[in-house]
Amino acid sequence: QVQLQQSGPGLVKPSQTLSLTCAISGDSVSSNSATWNWIRQSPSRGLEWLGRTYYRSKWYNDYAVSVKSRITINPDTSKNQFSLQLNSVTPEDTAVYYCARDYNWNVGNYYMDVWGKGTTVIVSS
Amino acid sequence: DIQMTQSPSSLSASVGDRVTITCQASQDIKKFLNWYQQKPGKAPKLLIYDASILEAGVPSRFSGSGSGTGFIFTITSLQPEDFATYYCQHYNELPITFGQGTRLDIK
Repeated sequence: QVQLQQSGPGLVKPSQTLSLTCAISGDSVSSNSATWNWIRQSPSRGLEWLGRTYYRSKWYNDYAVSVKSRITINPDTSKNQFSLQLNSVTPEDTAVYYCARDYNWNVGNYYMDVWGKGTTVIVSS
Repeated sequence: DIQMTQSPSSLSASVGDRVTITCQASQDIKKFLNWYQQKPGKAPKLLIYDASILEAGVPSRFSGSGSGTGFIFTITSLQPEDFATYYCQHYNELPITFGQGTRLDIK
């Protein structure tokens, strides 16, 4: 059974960096059958996909244009986890942040079948 | 970006009712569409993938159909545990985007 365990602070000051980690059990961050994603949810933006990391003979990253200049998602194979860093945060980055596995169940077909429990991050001084 | 528009945004219904939610994509997404259920304080839960395939363990009263730009999600015979918010999500291209959600509550 695949599980994702999120960790990280719930309060970040404006202009600082938001850092979250998602530890994977039951699967591998290096899996060729999944991508590892960060998604956030706020009343104003709804569910917003932020980006992903995945391994297909080498590591790839994709990011949403809205955060592309501020975001880094990194895999950590030694700990079987992946992380989110979002720089220069503002109160608009206040949201519940989720990590999720997007499973490649068939060629070109994916679904997000495993999610972390979510971390509420408030950006405030 | 592909816009996903759900209708209605909210819906009141009674136990035993049949409810239908629609999801319209701003361009052709073939069948690259998933449906999720979210309850307060919880992460979304996958219900249907590839527009119409029921995820393992999900009751058969849930169903989905459609392709291209128009999709339908149906719950037949609503149960008390079905009152939640439902989201469609496409993965035809990046960025992945979600509908704004349909909140289903008890009449």
